[in-house]
Amino acid sequence: DAGVTQSPTHLIKTRGQQVTLRCSPKSGHDTVSWYQQALGQGPQFIFQYYEEEERQRGNFPDRFSGHQYPNYSSELNVNALLLGDSALYLCASSLLTEAFFGQGTRLTVV
Amino acid sequence: GIQVEQSPPDLILQEGANSTLRCNFSDSVNNLQWFHQNPWGQLINLFYIPSGTKQNGRLSATTVATERYSLLYISSSQTTDSGVYFCAVGFSGTYKYIFGTGTRLKVLA
Repeated sequence: DAGVTQSPTHLIKTRGQQVTLRCSPKSGHDTVSWYQQALGQGPQFIFQYYEEEERQRGNFPDRFSGHQYPNYSSELNVNALLLGDSALYLCASSLLTEAFFGQGTRLTVV
Repeated sequence: GIQVEQSPPDLILQEGANSTLRCNFSDSVNNLQWFHQNPWGQLINLFYIPSGTKQNGRLSATTVATERYSLLYISSSQTTDSGVYFCAVGFSGTYKYIFGTGTRLKVLA
């Protein structure tokens, strides 16, 4: 079992650009959640996808959007990047209960 | 509002010492997990424990949902236990996890 995999692992973007992060869930998991973790803080919930629909959203602006495919993999898109979007982005997959996290994508906006 | 608080924020131990990390939460829970975040950012699952007690080697955890707290015990600590420990709580009526602020543990050789 490959676990939750995220790509890329590191990314540097310029302010104003757009970025797409990808996540493949653990085998058998149908739910994917995305979190943002700023330096020195705990992860903050962005949104959750289930059955290809956004099921719940955290307190993030519309610049943050996502998608889930029929194979349950997911993407996180961030438009009009700001310096403050620099963070570790974590993807979690689950099936009803326990969540498992990927290794994260470290995004730096310059 | 809904809150998850962890204590202590920082902890320094000598190798071999025992420790207790605490997580207090403000409302009824559906899910609760403890994670260890390694220096590369990976969140490693320790326990899924919305209630009751579990043990895994030198680690054990207890959640008393009616009193709204969970405890993580680390016995005979090793330098590899160093890192940040997070409690993540899924409250009733929501699908998201709310993370505590973490306990930063450093184990000295």
